[in-house]
Amino acid sequence: DAKTTQPTSMDCAEGRAANLPCNHSTISGNEYVYWYRQIHSQGPQYIIHGLKNNETNEMASLIITEDRKSSTLILPHATLRDTAVYYCIVRVAGRSSASKIIFGSGTRLSIRP
Amino acid sequence: GAVVSQHPSRVICKSGTSVKIECRSLDFQATTMFWYRQFPKQSLMLMATSNEGSKATYEQGVEKDKFLINHASLTLSTLTVTSAHPEDSSFYICGGSADYGYTFGSGTRLTVV
Repeated sequence: DAKTTQPTSMDCAEGRAANLPCNHSTISGNEYVYWYRQIHSQGPQYIIHGLKNNETNEMASLIITEDRKSSTLILPHATLRDTAVYYCIVRVAGRSSASKIIFGSGTRLSIRP
Repeated sequence: GAVVSQHPSRVICKSGTSVKIECRSLDFQATTMFWYRQFPKQSLMLMATSNEGSKATYEQGVEKDKFLINHASLTLSTLTVTSAHPEDSSFYICGGSADYGYTFGSGTRLTVV
């Protein structure tokens, strides 16, 4: 699976949009971009994923550049409960046993009141 | 959505004893499950991949005789830490392969005293 690069930490004011970048310049054509987050002492929580089109769900939006070498996760109205470590991962989709998820160091997002 | 139930959430055991952690997929069949370990302030480290009905595949450096994995059914995978020692104290997390990606358990905090 392709390697990703994320900033170590970021902070954002409560109520503002949090924009978390991720570089994945070696992504392959069949690899999706996935975002997970881990709140302290909990298991990772799925947020969103996409292949090449921008995606939006009830939690966030995912913007993928046209060359697919980078993406941005957007939390539109950050709250204190969004404080977590956010992981950007690229992998082949589906139930293939070869598509294991390797976590990088992620971005520690702090939301300030 | 796909849910993985992991228990116990916390366990304290004496050095030299064994501890079993269970991971159940509640509303989907997990052909493949993954086990991770996480030390404080670090990312998740993949320990092994378990496939239903076959032997687990361990990552390099993970002792298969110490971390016994059983995946006897499509909804249950177990990790047994044998002859636990204080250095095995960690946060253990399982993940099951769902249609959109992976869904993870809430984790087990193991403390060996």
